[in-house]
Amino acid sequence: EAGVVQSPRYKIIEKKQPVAFWCNPISGHNTLYWYRQNLGQGPELLIRYENEEAVDDSQLPKDRFSAERLKGVDSTLKIQPAELGDSAVYLCASSRSGSHNEQFFGPGTRLTVL
Amino acid sequence: DQQVKQNSPSLSVQEGRISILNCDYTNSMFDYFLWYKKYPAEGPTFLISISSIKDKNEDGRFTVFLNKSAKHLSLHIVPSQPGDSAVYFCAALATSGTYKYIFGTGTRLKVLA
Repeated sequence: EAGVVQSPRYKIIEKKQPVAFWCNPISGHNTLYWYRQNLGQGPELLIRYENEEAVDDSQLPKDRFSAERLKGVDSTLKIQPAELGDSAVYLCASSRSGSHNEQFFGPGTRLTVL
Repeated sequence: DQQVKQNSPSLSVQEGRISILNCDYTNSMFDYFLWYKKYPAEGPTFLISISSIKDKNEDGRFTVFLNKSAKHLSLHIVPSQPGDSAVYFCAALATSGTYKYIFGTGTRLKVLA
């Protein structure tokens, strides 16, 4: 079974530039999550999708962050414009619907904003 | 506020001995607790979970204990192996009311050969 795929793995941009991250979840996993992990911290949930519906986006900074999962499979997370404080690792995870347990994480995208 | 806390940022244990990683939480609404392991440059990997209605769950070398009255859980690894060296995150999940999936800050475990 292929794992969660994320790209790019690393991204360096200047502040005020836009950036996008892509995630392909495990086949059959209807629930998709985006997390941000700052250095020395645990992952923080940004948004959760059930199929194509964003069911929890309360932690997503909506002034500059947006996400979509148009066909209920792949998802993109965008930041526009990026700020210095957005430097972090952005993790995508997926799970089966209704699963109360394990999420499967991708390797993450490390974003550096200069 | 930090609803899930791992107060020990690091832990060193001799190979073959027991590793005990601790986690405290503040919200009594959590109904599942999970442990993940993370190697450098990889995403977290699920290890073991426990429902809030249980006080112990065991899977091979890994055992999670839950003390609801103390709002405390711990992960025991016996015997510890060098390959267990990683960062361990506890996470707490609330499914009733407002959905919450909150991770602690992690504990770096180093198993010495």
